[in-house]
Amino acid sequence: GQQLNQSPQSMFIQEGEDVSMNCTSSSIFNTWLWYKQDPGEGPVLLIALYKAGELTSNGRLTAQFGITRKDSFLNISASIPSDVGIYFCAGTNAGNNRKLIWGLGTSLAVNP
Amino acid sequence: GAGVSQSPRYKVAKRGQDVALRCDPISGHVSLFWYQQALGQGPEFLTYFQNEAQLDKSGLPSDRFFAERPEGSVSTLKIQRTQQEDSAVYLCASSPGGGPYGYTFGSGTRLTVV
Repeated sequence: GQQLNQSPQSMFIQEGEDVSMNCTSSSIFNTWLWYKQDPGEGPVLLIALYKAGELTSNGRLTAQFGITRKDSFLNISASIPSDVGIYFCAGTNAGNNRKLIWGLGTSLAVNP
Repeated sequence: GAGVSQSPRYKVAKRGQDVALRCDPISGHVSLFWYQQALGQGPEFLTYFQNEAQLDKSGLPSDRFFAERPEGSVSTLKIQRTQQEDSAVYLCASSPGGGPYGYTFGSGTRLTVV
């Protein structure tokens, strides 16, 4: 099925560093969502974006809905060890507002 | 309940065996979704229920996959004659409204077909 292009695939950083990851789509999306998934658990919603250009923060996390509606990024500032996990972007397009289309994930490792 | 509960957490099935995976959504949540997540991949949509009505089953990979939610609460995903390619984590999510907003995911059922 269709999946979003998410990069980077993995990151290994030092504690305290900032992190940036992004997602692109070949089609216009109406919603962009960012999730974190820990091993053996389901994804947990971090940030939801509903309008083109929207910039939203949740603590140390900031995400933006691209103006073209075909991309989004997630930034994590001042990373800490508990930020370790897999981050997924997901979204809905005009064809189906119930079905989430997902990226392949960015695996984040933080060296204390 | 407090969250979305899925059972079993782990299931090992012999190829050709039928399996049933259960999802208990958050009480009162109208919408229920099933996703399949292969190792190292993002989740892929399988099917969607609004109350007891299955409104979208476009993601079910074959007619061996069947889902139901007869009373609009608990849902069961059944896979008949399992194949090795069915090995994945099956995630259930519920939300209070009709769209993907406010999704809460369960911890998933990891199915391994041997």
